[in-house]
Amino acid sequence: GAGVSQSPSNKVTEKGKDVELRCDPISGHTALYWYRQRLGQGLEFLIYFQGNSAPDKSGLPSDRFSAERTGESVSTLTIQRTQQEDSAVYLCASSLDAGSGNTIYFGEGSWLTVV
Amino acid sequence: QKEVEQDPGPLSVPEGAIVSLNCTYSNSAFQYFMWYRQYSRKGPELLMYTYSSGNKEDGRFTAQVDKSSKYISLFIRDSQPSDSATYLCAMSETGGYNKLIFGAGTRLAVHP
Repeated sequence: GAGVSQSPSNKVTEKGKDVELRCDPISGHTALYWYRQRLGQGLEFLIYFQGNSAPDKSGLPSDRFSAERTGESVSTLTIQRTQQEDSAVYLCASSLDAGSGNTIYFGEGSWLTVV
Repeated sequence: QKEVEQDPGPLSVPEGAIVSLNCTYSNSAFQYFMWYRQYSRKGPELLMYTYSSGNKEDGRFTAQVDKSSKYISLFIRDSQPSDSATYLCAMSETGGYNKLIFGAGTRLAVHP
């Protein structure tokens, strides 16, 4: 597709349930990032994939969060046993690679509400 | 104290005004500085990308970095209603986009 595609765009889930968020990066982009944006706050880094290298998971807030990426394509962010503090927009982004000067493109986000 | 501080606004200006948006930071290792624009319910889009201290201009936008003061600014000349959005500063120690540290964003409203 022309841009970074995320689904679902909106998700309301009950506390304790698992959710899966999907990201389809721009074709040919080897670098993929997940960020979280809480209401009124800046973006927080979660995880980064670069090609076939081991992902940088240093931003994941707890072991309830995990992410996978299939080759250089689709990525899935999974949140297990959701809590109310997980309510946020989850933004996926991609770039040609992680080098400086390459433009990063964000998707429109998956808006998660945990009730 | 947050690593990056940004006044959340909102900032309301008349069309045609010069807008000044600012961030301060505490980590002297930051070398790469970015400004993003985010429209409501959209993902952020990269506006300006600068390295180290100095100015960078792109059309109506000018980014300034003062590393000695740990202070960065974005100026918007001849502001338009279409500039109404949230502006986020971001910075990193390396040039890549992984582990960017973002400010909370300043909401800007430009009224006709």
